[in-house]
Amino acid sequence: NAGVTQTPKFRVLKTGQSMTLLCAQDMNHEYMYWYRQDPGMGLRLIHYSVGEGTTAKGEVPDGYNVSRLKKQNFLLGLESAAPSQTSVYFCASRPGVLRPQVADTQYFGPGTRLTVL
Amino acid sequence: QQPVQSPQAVILREGEDAVINCSSSKALYSVHWYRQKHGEAPVFLMILLKGGEQKGHEKISASFNEKKQQSSLYLTASQLSYSGTYFCGTELNTGNQFYFGTGTSLTVIP
Repeated sequence: NAGVTQTPKFRVLKTGQSMTLLCAQDMNHEYMYWYRQDPGMGLRLIHYSVGEGTTAKGEVPDGYNVSRLKKQNFLLGLESAAPSQTSVYFCASRPGVLRPQVADTQYFGPGTRLTVL
Repeated sequence: QQPVQSPQAVILREGEDAVINCSSSKALYSVHWYRQKHGEAPVFLMILLKGGEQKGHEKISASFNEKKQQSSLYLTASQLSYSGTYFCGTELNTGNQFYFGTGTSLTVIP
């Protein structure tokens, strides 16, 4: 199992450009999450999904859109990037159902470091 | 909704003990503890559920006080490998949003 993977690992954008971050998980997890992490701010939830075809807003959703067309993928889009969106982005997945010997918690991908100039 | 962690930072010598606290103003369903090394993703340590018991793994354990809506992470006989930033993640209801604390930076020195 690869677990949770994120593409790309690094990206530099110019203000106003758009991009999509891809998160994929091969653990058949129901729930998926997108966070951003800024120095001294901890992890802040952008959007999340509790199942294929469903998404919901988190704490800081403005400027981002998401889609979960397939259970294993969760896409995060920036339509018009701004310098304030410079951050490290983490995707996480969670079983969402009780399974023996599997903690129902979040498992994180390696992160994407995004810089917006 | 964001839980409050304390202390913000702590420096220990190898073999010393530490306690990290996580407090919420709301009633919690669960508390999840993670450790993050610099430049890496957070790694799950343990989960505590409402009505559950204290959990432990080797020299790291945690408790959940439902009356105070506070969880504490205990690190005993610290090792160099314990260095990192510790986050608590809280959940008000199952399947709901997670709220992470701002983290506690733990540094273990020889």
